[in-house]
Amino acid sequence: SQKIEQNSEALNIQEGKTATLTCNYTNYSPAYLQWYRQDPGRGPVFLLLIRENEKEKRKERLKVTFDTTLKQSLFHITASQPADSATYLCARNSGGYQKVTFGTGTKLQVIP
Amino acid sequence: NAGVTQTPKFQVLKTGQSMTLQCAQDMNHNSMYWYRQDPGMGLRLIYYSASEGTTDKGEVPNGYNVSRLNKREFSLRLESAAPSQTSVYFCASRRAGQATYNEQFFGPGTRLTVL
Repeated sequence: SQKIEQNSEALNIQEGKTATLTCNYTNYSPAYLQWYRQDPGRGPVFLLLIRENEKEKRKERLKVTFDTTLKQSLFHITASQPADSATYLCARNSGGYQKVTFGTGTKLQVIP
Repeated sequence: NAGVTQTPKFQVLKTGQSMTLQCAQDMNHNSMYWYRQDPGMGLRLIYYSASEGTTDKGEVPNGYNVSRLNKREFSLRLESAAPSQTSVYFCASRRAGQATYNEQFFGPGTRLTVL
């Protein structure tokens, strides 16, 4: 099966520091990985997509890396702010491009 | 644009009752999805519709049926609700085709409790 794991259930970080979240996958390399943000009581919101032939992708304070050797993606938030506090979900494509499989998420809390 | 809308927002059922969760999107997306989200389990795919007129099972389809009524609407039906179906249900849509458009857009969710 195509599993995806987010090892940390929760991560606390001081405001201004860089938050790093980890996503590991098993079996064959996915064609792409996605990262979503989910606030309490709301649906996930798409943040970034990185393809397997891309090493790194950036969007404002966000950076995602994709390491096919380690079978891992790292999600970084630089200069973190309390407003970044949320649950972050990693997802990989499964069964071609039609479906994705989500990880269980990492709850990030940025402490002022 | 409203994006993806879901009704109802909250629902309480008794075991054995039936209900239909409604989902609509106004983005002219081809693909639509139903997920359930449970603590510690993450989002799990129940059913999806790659395009109008087609539906396929996801990871946890038992106890559910779906209807892709038209391009905009995708409904999820619980024929005989069970306490194990207590969950938060999310509908999502995606502009299918090119790999660039693989992001999914989610609705606000329906919180269902089965007593």
